[in-house]
Amino acid sequence: GEDVEQSLFLSVREGDSSVINCTYTDSSSTYLYWYKQEPGAGLQLLTYIFSNMDMKQDQRLTVLLNKKDKHLSLRIADTQTGDSAIYFCAESPNTGNQFYFGTGTSLTVIP
Amino acid sequence: EAGVTQSPTHLIKTRGQQATLRCSPISGHTSVYWYQQALGLGLQFLLWYDEGEERNRGNFPPRFSGRQFPNYSSELNVNALELEDSALYLCASSLEGVSNQPQHFGDGTRLSIL
Repeated sequence: GEDVEQSLFLSVREGDSSVINCTYTDSSSTYLYWYKQEPGAGLQLLTYIFSNMDMKQDQRLTVLLNKKDKHLSLRIADTQTGDSAIYFCAESPNTGNQFYFGTGTSLTVIP
Repeated sequence: EAGVTQSPTHLIKTRGQQATLRCSPISGHTSVYWYQQALGLGLQFLLWYDEGEERNRGNFPPRFSGRQFPNYSSELNVNALELEDSALYLCASSLEGVSNQPQHFGDGTRLSIL
């Protein structure tokens, strides 16, 4: 299977920017996704980026994609306590429809 | 528009029993996916159904099975339950199975094996 890696933990102060990183292995991946999981809930789709894009911005969220290094990042501007959650990146290779998820990064926002 | 709904929210079973988990996809979605999220682990892909057929299967034993009904809802069945089956089981749906459409998740069923 594919290998999608994320760091496990990140702590930031309220109001600062958060950057969550992800590396993936399948260069044929056409779509890359970011999901948010709050305690006791399922995964909420935050945003996704096509592999022919370098950057996508959506309000406080900025996704950067470096295809050469197979590196994806999610930047959250002005991080709030409500942003505390686990963030998963996922890739969808061009073959078939299976998603491969990272292990998730637990973001803690300190008031 | 209603999201993906799963039932029950919680399920408590004992070793050796059988569990049935249910999922209703977003209206118009034909693909349903099942994932297992065990404590401390990421999401492990279980099964993918599209148009009533099993399209792909993750690395799980045959006692994990399921089906998709004509209305695109789905069931996940786990037979001969073992302690390590305790996990959050997540269902997701997407518009169709071959075009990398985003998957939308339900809130999951938490299965506890005593």
